[in-house]
Amino acid sequence: EAGVAQSPRYKIIEKRQSVAFWCNPISGHATLYWYQQILGQGPKLLIQFQNNGVVDDSQLPKDRFSAERLKGVDSTLKIQPAKLEDSAVYLCASSLVAGGSVNEQFFGPGTRLTVL
Amino acid sequence: AQSVTQLGSHVSVSEGALVLLRCNYSSSVPPYLFWYVQYPNQGLQLLLKYTSAATLVKGINGFEAEFKKSETSFHLTKPSAHMSDAAEYFCAVHMDTGRRALTFGSGTRLQVQP
Repeated sequence: EAGVAQSPRYKIIEKRQSVAFWCNPISGHATLYWYQQILGQGPKLLIQFQNNGVVDDSQLPKDRFSAERLKGVDSTLKIQPAKLEDSAVYLCASSLVAGGSVNEQFFGPGTRLTVL
Repeated sequence: AQSVTQLGSHVSVSEGALVLLRCNYSSSVPPYLFWYVQYPNQGLQLLLKYTSAATLVKGINGFEAEFKKSETSFHLTKPSAHMSDAAEYFCAVHMDTGRRALTFGSGTRLQVQP
């Protein structure tokens, strides 16, 4: 079974530029998450999708971050304009979660963003 | 609100020694608890999970964790460390609600000395 795919793996941009990340979840997984992992910290949820609807975006800085999940499969996360503090690893995860209580999430390799 | 606290950002052990990584949780309802491992430049891999079935949970690579409600703890252990265990370890929690996103601790970096 293929895992969660993310691209690009690395990205370097200057502040005030825009950037986009792509995620392809495990086939059949209804729920998709984007997490931000700043160096030395644990991942923090940015946004959660259930199919193509947003379940939780309370921690997404909506003035500069946007995300979409068209057709309930792939997802893109965009930052415009980027700030220095956006330097981090952006992790995408997916899970089956339609029913059941335990939410086992599967993570992609992440995209490491450096903002100069 | 739910949260996890990992005591010790860095832990160093000798190869063959006991590994103990500490995690305490705070949750207003019975939690689901997880340990993930992250190797350099890789995503997170699930080590084990607590789902309220058994308090002692066995995971991959010889790791196990014990859920202690009275101590609100879910510490990760391994009897004998191997060089390949060197990585970053994250404890995480979620509640049985619609949101179900994971709340992570700040991580513990495990070093294994030869």
